[in-house]
Amino acid sequence: QQPVQSPQAVILREGEDAVINCSSSKALYSVHWYRQKHGEAPVFLMILLKGGEQKGHDKISASFNEKKQQSSLYLTASQLSYSGTYFCGTEYNYGQNFVFGPGTRLSVLP
Amino acid sequence: DGGITQSPKYLFRKEGQNVTLSCEQNLNHDAMYWYRQDPGQGLRLIYYSQIVNDFQKGDIAEGYSVSREKKESFPLTVTSAQKNPTAFYLCASSIESQASGYNEQFFGPGTRLTVL
Repeated sequence: QQPVQSPQAVILREGEDAVINCSSSKALYSVHWYRQKHGEAPVFLMILLKGGEQKGHDKISASFNEKKQQSSLYLTASQLSYSGTYFCGTEYNYGQNFVFGPGTRLSVLP
Repeated sequence: DGGITQSPKYLFRKEGQNVTLSCEQNLNHDAMYWYRQDPGQGLRLIYYSQIVNDFQKGDIAEGYSVSREKKESFPLTVTSAQKNPTAFYLCASSIESQASGYNEQFFGPGTRLTVL
């Protein structure tokens, strides 16, 4: 089952914040976040394992709420380079294949 | 430099022809994957292989075939049976890490296939 991502698309001005959510109907072992620029391969951002941990990477951080079976990606003080499509990949058990969400298109304008 | 290479970047074929997409990795990863991406959509798994000489169907395997004769290589053949082959194809690899507790997938640059 494909996870649900919201919103589908978001437009920001440089310096604004955004939150992207990834929800699953099944219990999750891990959530992986990727960013993809148009015509390029997805680039790994971070992984969150069940346990409700939160991770950060420059001004991009994420949380994983095991009870809600949901992960959220936080982009703070967005930069032009943040533009792209963000995908979450969910792993239901260790070693199982990822199921990717449909993506959230983020556009950061000057 | 370690990484995943896919060739060619762009590929054009006539309808009814089989075409093989190359994927090579020098990361010493055990698992390799093929995904298909259509405009505005996420990644859908075509085939995957956990070890040499073994592979499994993903969610949309019909009309595709693969082989895994070497750890480094996982070519994908798009056959004439695939009804809508025009898409962006991504190859990925990953390594199981029981110490760290997660798999991380590394993606190649992709091949954009257009069937005329």
